[in-house]
Amino acid sequence: GAVVSQHPSRVICKSGTSVKIECRSLDFQATTMFWYRQFPKQSLMLMATSNEGSKATYEQGVEKDKFLINHASLTLSTLTVTSAHPEDSSFYICSAGLNSPLHFGNGTRLTVT
Amino acid sequence: DQQVKQNSPSLSVQEGRISILNCDYTNSMFDYFLWYKKYPAEGPTFLISISSIKDKNEDGRFTVFLNKSAKHLSLHIVPSQPGDSAVYFCAARGGGADGLTFGKGTHLIIQP
Repeated sequence: GAVVSQHPSRVICKSGTSVKIECRSLDFQATTMFWYRQFPKQSLMLMATSNEGSKATYEQGVEKDKFLINHASLTLSTLTVTSAHPEDSSFYICSAGLNSPLHFGNGTRLTVT
Repeated sequence: DQQVKQNSPSLSVQEGRISILNCDYTNSMFDYFLWYKKYPAEGPTFLISISSIKDKNEDGRFTVFLNKSAKHLSLHIVPSQPGDSAVYFCAARGGGADGLTFGKGTHLIIQP
């Protein structure tokens, strides 16, 4: 069964609003979770590394004020897309794992209208 | 600058035959390689992995080969089945990066 749960699976929001995506590790505690983004026909690109109890580490080019990450517990990390714009429409996926391989959530399809 | 490359966007193979998916990388510091299978609108599912100290790992119908000198790995699926139709991502760990570095994927189509 799934070891990483991601919610919601899809969300449609209006431009200017904020959207929160949750990622939960189900059978284990994850001090580190990863957030990826995938554009159509492109690779999964790492956005940020979520660290429990400390600040997230963002990849170059990813706006930390726009993509807020909170890793408040050992089983939950959230990604909030603030003031969403149509160009933020994408497929967002989280992953976690005690050791490799990393397990992935089922992803969230975000559409900003 | 793409450190993990899958140069074939798609591959069509007849059911029962062998599927060979290729992946090249440029970062010699990668220490672990993984293959994921992905269906549309779903997250990737782990298939098989290989450590950089090995050159082959086998699991059922899936075998991954690693050629470190050529910085090349391949995934063999034999025999190919209709349910294998999906996008396959090659990923690498290490090389100074957090998380995994992915290739762009290869869409495998198994024809009956």
